[in-house]
Amino acid sequence: DADVTQTPRNRITKTGKRIMLECSQTKGHDRMYWYRQDPGLGLRLIYYSFDVKDINKGEISDGYSVSRQAQAKFSLSLESAIPNQTALYFCATSLGGAGNEQFFGPGTRLTVL
Amino acid sequence: KQEVTQIPAALSVPEGENLVLNCSFTDSAIYNLQWFRQDPGKGLTSLLLIQSSQREQTSGRLNASLDKSSGRSTLYIAASQPGDSATYLCAVFGNEKLTFGTGTRLTIIP
Repeated sequence: DADVTQTPRNRITKTGKRIMLECSQTKGHDRMYWYRQDPGLGLRLIYYSFDVKDINKGEISDGYSVSRQAQAKFSLSLESAIPNQTALYFCATSLGGAGNEQFFGPGTRLTVL
Repeated sequence: KQEVTQIPAALSVPEGENLVLNCSFTDSAIYNLQWFRQDPGKGLTSLLLIQSSQREQTSGRLNASLDKSSGRSTLYIAASQPGDSATYLCAVFGNEKLTFGTGTRLTIIP
């Protein structure tokens, strides 16, 4: 079984809809991250969480919100989706402490029409 | 602001050749550098992590080097195989986050 799972794997939605992407991990890691990947731009950090009560904005947090429901679960929400949020979204986890190896989920491909 | 560059963006080589992928970064104040492999539809797989105090790491046919002072890393793949075809990403950790390059798409020709 995969250590980091994401649901759904693919989603097509319309402009203005609310969307939630979910991430679960069985690695027992404290830190969780959300990234988006766009062609030619690489992966960019949206939000990250060091534990359930510690959530931080990344470089491109506008238009997104997150919830850390438990150590193992970290959800990303788009309150009102827009077409330029069409991207591949990845969740990642790592142990606490600076510079630990990050482990990625399989990604969610989101298309906003 | 940290910037990570990977050149070339795409590379095709015949099976069996040794090859080198390049990564450069602008801010040498990093904790570590991580190389990933990305296969279509399968997310990112961590290949090697080099701490800032290290010069290289090896795993099987892969060897990654790090020259922090010059802001460069290389990933050496020995005896390439068709299964090595993928996109390879490097990322540096600093300021509590990873900054990624845009990757090199590698194709190994049988």
